[in-house]
Amino acid sequence: QKEVEQDPGPLSVPEGAIVSLNCTYSNSAFQYFMWYRQYSRKGPELLMYTYSSGNKEDGRFTAQVDKSSKYISLFIRDSQPSDSATYLCAMRPQGGSEKLVFGKGTKLTVNP
Amino acid sequence: GAGVSQTPSNKVTEKGKYVELRCDPISGHTALYWYRQSLGQGPEFLIYFQGTGAADDSGLPNDRFFAVRPEGSVSTLKIQRTERGDSAVYLCASSSWVNTEAFFGQGTRLTVV
Repeated sequence: QKEVEQDPGPLSVPEGAIVSLNCTYSNSAFQYFMWYRQYSRKGPELLMYTYSSGNKEDGRFTAQVDKSSKYISLFIRDSQPSDSATYLCAMRPQGGSEKLVFGKGTKLTVNP
Repeated sequence: GAGVSQTPSNKVTEKGKYVELRCDPISGHTALYWYRQSLGQGPEFLIYFQGTGAADDSGLPNDRFFAVRPEGSVSTLKIQRTERGDSAVYLCASSSWVNTEAFFGQGTRLTVV
């Protein structure tokens, strides 16, 4: 079993839809949780950064962490064609190495 | 420059050759990371530098891979005796200190033929 599991999709939605992206993980030591967006042939770009459990909102994006279930989510409201990209979850424990463990990424297409 | 710069953007090499990939981090960033991303996969950690020293090199797959950061700024990832399985996008990231956002470069796409 991989440390971080993420459904690669692809996911296709109409413009304006609410998108839900998810990851599960097995390492209970993970404390920092991130969502990255990666456009084709570009490097990942940080969208959301959350410490421990709870919700965090930034504009149309909401990140949720449920440590008891080892489950994290990213919601995108009023999705736009410009949101079409691959979304990667990433996480790491507190302390120790700074290395991030990434999911496979979910490829999202928002159709106008 | 304003962001993390990686050169070359593309590299095609023959099996068995030696390659060097360069990363120029954001000015002043002390932490530097190398990741490898294969097609359809998320980035996989290779090595992390804090200043000039490798703080964690546990992700380097074997002794054909080596990375340096001699002056605590630019880093070079070196791959000896390349194999077709080394073909991937090699990503570099930097951050100003631990526990802060890491900014990624656009990557070097390495193809071993």
